Amino acid sequence: LAKTTQPISMDSYEGQEVNITCSHNNIATNDYITWYQQFPSQGPRFIIQGYKTKVTNEVASLFIPADRKSSTLSLPRVSLSDTAVYYCLVGEIALTGGGNKLTFGTGTQLKVEL
Amino acid sequence: SQTIHQWPATLVQPVGSPLSLECTVEGTSNPNLYWYRQAAGRGLQLLFYSVGIGQISSEVPQNLSASRPQDRQFILSSKKLLLSDSGFYLCAWTLRGMNTEAFFGQGTRLTVV
Repeated sequence: LAKTTQPISMDSYEGQEVNITCSHNNIATNDYITWYQQFPSQGPRFIIQGYKTKVTNEVASLFIPADRKSSTLSLPRVSLSDTAVYYCLVGEIALTGGGNKLTFGTGTQLKVEL
Repeated sequence: SQTIHQWPATLVQPVGSPLSLECTVEGTSNPNLYWYRQAAGRGLQLLFYSVGIGQISSEVPQNLSASRPQDRQFILSSKKLLLSDSGFYLCAWTLRGMNTEAFFGQGTRLTVV
């Protein structure tokens, strides 16, 4: 089972680019890498998903090196509203019945200040 | 469009009382369904997941149980609540298969007193 490791917390200032790295040394061939954002008292919200190289959407970019043992979520020009917990997930095939277990780690608390 | 409903939003229950939290999904069929719990200041703990009616997988031994009586209905229950059951409970769904894009409900804040 692929386990993820992220920094517990990060601090940044408005307007800066923030890069959060996740380690997943045991990632399987078929696993995708997914990132979520969670605000207090809300459910996590899907940000981005990728398999290899680079993926970009209107919110963030995801960089995945060739060995896929890590990934980096990049948030351009963060604002105060980006203060949240960010989770990295790696696909985890269920043992029975198919489907993906979606096991969340402890996440990275990002704090953005003025 | 797909929506997920979870209720109640908040709940205060005495120790030893039963629990029933309900989650329903609209606008899709055969979803994978999940129950999570989040203790204050902690990450999400996967409690149960289901890939179909009557198919429940439990992740953590506890006094909670889950049922899926209908395709888009997922229920979390307990016969006797413990203080340690307090937390923020979240229901989520994904499309059938290995999809990792999950959609979460608004959550239920449970306080056991």
